[in-house]
Amino acid sequence: QLQLQESGPGLVKPSETLSLTCTVSGGSISSSDDYWGWIRQPPGKGLEWIANMYYTGTTYYNPSLKSRLTISIDTSKNQLSLKLTSVTAADTALYFCVSQPVRGALNWFDTWGQGTLVTVSS
Amino acid sequence: ETVLTQSPATLSLSPGERATLSCRASRSLSIYLAWYQQKPGQAPRLLIYDASNRATGIPARFSGSGSGTDFTLTISSLEPEDFAVYYCQQRSNWPPTWTFGQGTKVEIK
Repeated sequence: QLQLQESGPGLVKPSETLSLTCTVSGGSISSSDDYWGWIRQPPGKGLEWIANMYYTGTTYYNPSLKSRLTISIDTSKNQLSLKLTSVTAADTALYFCVSQPVRGALNWFDTWGQGTLVTVSS
Repeated sequence: ETVLTQSPATLSLSPGERATLSCRASRSLSIYLAWYQQKPGQAPRLLIYDASNRATGIPARFSGSGSGTDFTLTISSLEPEDFAVYYCQQRSNWPPTWTFGQGTKVEIK
């Protein structure tokens, strides 16, 4: 069974870079079956899609975050990474790693990590 | 950008009652809408995809319907574990982006 586990610093200072890693277990990040991505949720608020990526390098970014975003895949470690630069308090959120089945034309997110809370504060 | 509007914001019901949640899109989605359930302190869980297909392991009391711009999630008889927040979600084709509704909270009356 596919499992996703997010990790990274829980506290980031304003203007610095937020870096998170998602480790995939029970499956391969190089699989042709899935895209991999990130979704975030500010405390007490709704869900916002951030970005997703295929093992071939095809990447989609949320236009509102694109200028600050980089996601990448490390196939040797079976990991997905996220880097968000120049963070502000508005980036404080629970960050989820997700998978999207290609068979579903990427129309839904079927596996979610438990999420990792990142707080932006000095 | 496609906007999803969920209603009501909060639904106060008793166990055993029927819950009807609405999601309206600002453009036609055909059938390409998904529903998720989120309980406090947990990640969202996929319930329904392509408007009416239950995800693996989802009980039959959950059903989805609709097409175009109007969609409904129905819980036929609320169980105690169903009190949660529910989100709808869509994908836009170009540029590829994914958006969620603002959520409907189903709370115990």
